[in-house]
Amino acid sequence: GAGVSQTPSNKVTEKGKYVELRCDPISGHTALYWYRQSLGQGPEFLIYFQGTGAADDSGLPNDRFFAVRPEGSVSTLKIQRTERGDSAVYLCASSPGGSSTADTQYFGPGTRLTVL
Amino acid sequence: GNSVTQMEGPVTLSEEAFLTINCTYTATGYPSLFWYVQYPGEGLQLLLKATKADDKGSNKGFEATYRKETTSFHLEKGSVQVSDSAVYFCALRTNAGKSTFGDGTTLTVKP
Repeated sequence: GAGVSQTPSNKVTEKGKYVELRCDPISGHTALYWYRQSLGQGPEFLIYFQGTGAADDSGLPNDRFFAVRPEGSVSTLKIQRTERGDSAVYLCASSPGGSSTADTQYFGPGTRLTVL
Repeated sequence: GNSVTQMEGPVTLSEEAFLTINCTYTATGYPSLFWYVQYPGEGLQLLLKATKADDKGSNKGFEATYRKETTSFHLEKGSVQVSDSAVYFCALRTNAGKSTFGDGTTLTVKP
């Protein structure tokens, strides 16, 4: 079946611009997660949705970052006034229920964001 | 806060060699522990997991045992193959949301 998909796969933008990154989770998965992975490091948590609501946004680095999931399926990560330090691979994951620590998270291929 | 420390790489082994990648953690509460693998050009995928102390996770010949007394979850495989070349990430979760990852260990297996 279809896995988690993310678009675009690559995004190059200029400093100060606005970008949107999209995530399509596995159908029926209620939990959705965003992570950011810098070169040579592990994924770093950004935000977690349970259904339409953000259950934990403690990982968002500042108010330039915002994410939505209006219908409980597709999610968009929005970054305003991009900075060079925002360059990274942005990963999305989904899981069936999200209510257990053992719930398997299924990751998408990521969006590579480059801010020039 | 929670943290995961992995053995630094890169690790280079010959085919059929024994593999150990060390992982230790610090966590509040009772975490579930995971190993993820990222093959070249592919996304992160779950390799194995363990949800309570003394549990052993296993998959594709890889094993890891949840050791609460040493706060460790070391990954092992008895005989590696060239196709095992990848980046391996240790991770934990103490609530239903976020995972905390280590920085990854790159494994290269030579024929």
